[in-house]
Formats: sequence, C-alpha cells, structure tokens
Amino acid sequence: EVQLVQSGAEVKKPGESLKISCQTSGYIFTNFWIGWVRQLPGKGLEWMGIIYPGDSDTRYNPSFQGQVTISADNSISTAYLQWSSVKATDTAIYYCARRAAAPRLDYWGRGTLVTVSS
Amino acid sequence: QSALTQPPAASGSPGQSVTISCTGTSSNIGNNNYVSWYQQHPGKAPKLMIYDVTKRPSGVPDRFSGSKSGNTASLTVSGLQAEDEADYYCSSYTGSNNLEFGGGTKLTVL
Repeated sequence: EVQLVQSGAEVKKPGESLKISCQTSGYIFTNFWIGWVRQLPGKGLEWMGIIYPGDSDTRYNPSFQGQVTISADNSISTAYLQWSSVKATDTAIYYCARRAAAPRLDYWGRGTLVTVSS
Repeated sequence: QSALTQPPAASGSPGQSVTISCTGTSSNIGNNNYVSWYQQHPGKAPKLMIYDVTKRPSGVPDRFSGSKSGNTASLTVSGLQAEDEADYYCSSYTGSNNLEFGGGTKLTVL
C-alpha cells in the first residue's frame, strides 16, 4: 500500500528556518516524482515544485523559486520542503503528493500545517 | 490568480447532474490531454478523481466523468449524492514536470 506520511504541525517565528518531511512507503521511491502543494488558509491549491529522487532533478514553480528548497533522502525514502527564513505569509498547509507516470498526483500526504507568528 | 479559471461555486439537488468547467489556454489545457480533477473535503487532503481528461482511478464512482473541448475541461457529477459536497480543483500539465491548478469550485448539494 502506497503511503505518504508527513511530519507534524509546526509553529515558527518569522525569520526562523524550517524543514518539513514526507516519508513514503509501498513503492520504489526513486522511480516517481514527488511534488509539493501549498494551501493558504481558506484558499485553493498552489503548485510549488517537484523532485525526482532517482537523480535529484528538481523543478520549481517560478513563484516559489528561491523561496523554498525541495530535496530528498533516498536512504529513508523521504522528501523535504525547507525554508531558510519563514515569513508570516508562509502560514499554510503543505501537502506532498506522488506524481504518477502520466502527470497526475495519485497519492497524497495528509498535509503539514505551518504557522508563522511572532 | 490561477491560470486555470473555475467558477467559484456550483450546486445541484440530490440525483441531479452538475458540470464544473475549467478554462485554460492553448499553453496548458489546449496543449495536451493531461487534465486532472481533485476532490477535497474540508480538513482533508485532495483526492484524485479524474486524470488524462477522462480516466477514473480505481475506486472512483462512475458518476464522475471528465471531458475537454479546446481550452476548456469539464467535470460532470451525475446522480449527485450528499457525499459529493466538496471543493473540486482542476489541474493541467504545463511542461517541465510542472503542473498548475484552477482556483477551485465549491460544490453544494442542496
């Protein structure tokens, strides 16, 4: 059974660093792209970017380029989304999702709520 | 502002059919057949309902169907049920392994 298990909710102050995770199981991690999706409070889904763990090829939505870093650790089948300095406007739920061979997101994590407040 | 335009709301009575549109451009929807639809209930993660314009993943009821004409894709829910009340998002492949989403449509079952 394919599973994407995301790390727990985070509360950060502006300017702090943050790294959230998406641990996968039930399939060969290096064979599928993993994407990240942001959902601001009460708003819609926004595509952030994607990584192919097989060769670490990473693509970003231009709106998020330079704002976050997507990475992966193949030894523990886990993808990451990180910030070097969070802002209040980063408060949102972040989902990871597996991208199937054709470009669709077939399995999703339950989301990680990130709250940034002074 | 999303590159894919969806109506903010749609509604129908139980048993009726409702269609949600998703309008893009020749650079996204009009350029390929990689349109997907996702259902999201409050407080839950999105769920894939339709992919490649018309295909349903295993386990998705055949009441859900997808279509496309030119730069506009559509999701039709037939035989509406109370459990279909949710937000629905379309998505299109934009190349370079990136996707984009529509703004979402809140479906209300009256």
